[in-house]
Amino acid sequence: NAGVTQTPKFQVLKTGQSMTLQCAQDMNHNSMYWYRQDPGMGLRLIYYSASEGTTDKGEVPNGYNVSRLNKREFSLRLESAAPSQTSVYFCASTGYSSGRARETQYFGPGTRLLVL
Amino acid sequence: GQQVMQIPQYQHVQEGEDFTTYCNSSTTLSNIQWYKQRPGGHPVFLIQLVKSGEVKKQKRLTFQFGEAKKNSSLHITATQTTDVGTYFCAGRASGSARQLTFGSGTQLTVLP
Repeated sequence: NAGVTQTPKFQVLKTGQSMTLQCAQDMNHNSMYWYRQDPGMGLRLIYYSASEGTTDKGEVPNGYNVSRLNKREFSLRLESAAPSQTSVYFCASTGYSSGRARETQYFGPGTRLLVL
Repeated sequence: GQQVMQIPQYQHVQEGEDFTTYCNSSTTLSNIQWYKQRPGGHPVFLIQLVKSGEVKKQKRLTFQFGEAKKNSSLHITATQTTDVGTYFCAGRASGSARQLTFGSGTQLTVLP
């Protein structure tokens, strides 16, 4: 099991450029998430997908779009990048054990994005 | 919306000293989770607490969930250099909330 994988690891964009961050999980999880992490602000939820075919806005969705391509893949798109979107982006998926009594979020390694 | 406050933001301790981080939610939680993130790494799940007043231990780490299910703490006894990192709490609101709300984290530095 690779767990949660993300590409690319690093990216530099100019203001106004677009890009898609890719995320995939091989744990057969239904729920997937995109977070951004900025210094001193913890992890803030951008979008999430509770199951294949559904997506919902999180705390900071403006400037982003998502696609839940299938159960494995959940992508995040920046249509017109801005310097305020410079951040580290983490994808995560949620697994359950003990009959849903225990949940665990598994995070990918992150994408470090710099927007100039 | 739900807010999760975490203090302190930074903590420097001498190796062997104890460390505690506190988490407080604006709303009642169905569960609270704790994560550790090493410098340059990604958050890694440590534990989940579900029951009011619950206390769980993992070696030198002790996790508590408050009676009102609105606050939690993580205590590390006799810190080691391997404990360095940022510790996050994350709460799930009661009801059908599907997302976790993360605290801002406590960055722990352990001086040898």
